[in-house]
Amino acid sequence: SAVISQKPSRDICQRGTSLTIQCQVDSQVTMMFWYRQQPGQSLTLIATANQGSEATYESGFVIDKFPISRPNLTFSTLTVSNMSPEDSSIYLCSVAGGRGVYNEQFFGPGTRLTVL
Amino acid sequence: KNEVEQSPQNLTAQEGEFITINCSYSVGISALHWLQQHPGGGIVSLFMLSSGKKKHGRLIATINIQEKHSSLHITASHPRDSAVYICAVNYGGATNKLIFGTGTLLAVQP
Repeated sequence: SAVISQKPSRDICQRGTSLTIQCQVDSQVTMMFWYRQQPGQSLTLIATANQGSEATYESGFVIDKFPISRPNLTFSTLTVSNMSPEDSSIYLCSVAGGRGVYNEQFFGPGTRLTVL
Repeated sequence: KNEVEQSPQNLTAQEGEFITINCSYSVGISALHWLQQHPGGGIVSLFMLSSGKKKHGRLIATINIQEKHSSLHITASHPRDSAVYICAVNYGGATNKLIFGTGTLLAVQP
């Protein structure tokens, strides 16, 4: 298994500002993902964070709005830029453990973001 | 229409009851995950399965590939089982990307 921590755990931000969320894993992992969970909704994949290259974004998400860094195999950041109230969500990072093609996924505790 | 459907959306049970949560998906998959999300938001992986049945303590997960259906069972339910239970699938290809169901909110009353 993998132990994942996220910072901050929650934040309240003003419209138009940006917030950077950090994700730290206790072991080296190849695949790291960022998800968004809007109120009352299930999780939606924002992007796959790739070590040493640009993140791979899902339809509806763009790098200018959600820039992602992945400087090494244990750490990643997600920035929510130019925030609006619609960005109020829980943001979670996850990693895929193991060496198989399909692996169990481990999730961080989430960052609860409220935008006023 | 969501590719992964869960039922029921909400479930209230009395402590000790046997609970079943269902998950149906629309096309062939490579693996299915059951996840548990507590009110604080944290998510725990319960099972990953691609065939048959898995058991862990009071939790049992089954999958029927032909019928594109999975169930999560909780035996002797307890108030601490109260959480959102989420089904998610890998649709194939060399990827660990997941498609999530909308979740089932379970409340177990003492």
